[in-house]
Amino acid sequence: GENVEQHPSTLSVQEGDSAVIKCTYSDSASNYFPWYKQELGKGPQLIIDIRSNVGEKKDQRIAVTLNKTAKHFSLHITETQPEDSAVYFCAPKPLTNFGNEKLTFGTGTRLTIIP
Amino acid sequence: DTGVSQNPRHKITKRGQNVTFRCDPISEHNRLYWYRQTLGQGPEFLTYFQNEAQLEKSRLLSDRFSAERPKGSFSTLEIQRTEQGDSAMYLCASSLGRPSGSTDTQYFGPGTRLTVL
Repeated sequence: GENVEQHPSTLSVQEGDSAVIKCTYSDSASNYFPWYKQELGKGPQLIIDIRSNVGEKKDQRIAVTLNKTAKHFSLHITETQPEDSAVYFCAPKPLTNFGNEKLTFGTGTRLTIIP
Repeated sequence: DTGVSQNPRHKITKRGQNVTFRCDPISEHNRLYWYRQTLGQGPEFLTYFQNEAQLEKSRLLSDRFSAERPKGSFSTLEIQRTEQGDSAMYLCASSLGRPSGSTDTQYFGPGTRLTVL
């Protein structure tokens, strides 16, 4: 099965600075790379995703970059705000296997934005 | 609110008791998933349904666990003879059910937090 690791496990940054979280995966068949944000008391919510035919995707202050050769992808948050404080999970998966619909979540990164 | 809803939000029970959780997916979503999340960990997949058919079960789903989706809409997850190790957040998610090869975003509910004393 997929082995998914995230680094760092905790990250504190000053408001306005940038944050980067890295996700390393083992399954070379993975070709879909989403990032989820989980706030306290809530379920995870998709914030950005990328497919393997694209190296980078940006949506306002967040971006995801992919290095498929090295089997890792990263979440970048710029101009961080207090509401960015949450736990972030990556969940890489292959899209081609019928029946393989489950998400395998990474180990999680707790991001704290310091006002 | 048209998101995924789960009830109850919190459940405290004594070891050995049975508990049942309910999940109402986003309407028109064909797929429904159950995950379990323990403190400090990411969610772990338990099972999923395509309409009323249960298509995949994790080995985490012991014989004390049973999930149903009788009419292809809401789902229930029952745990019999609860153990302290069952204490966790139980998350439900739903998706449209796009064909394999397409991105099929899973939308999560707020979860049911189970505490077994």
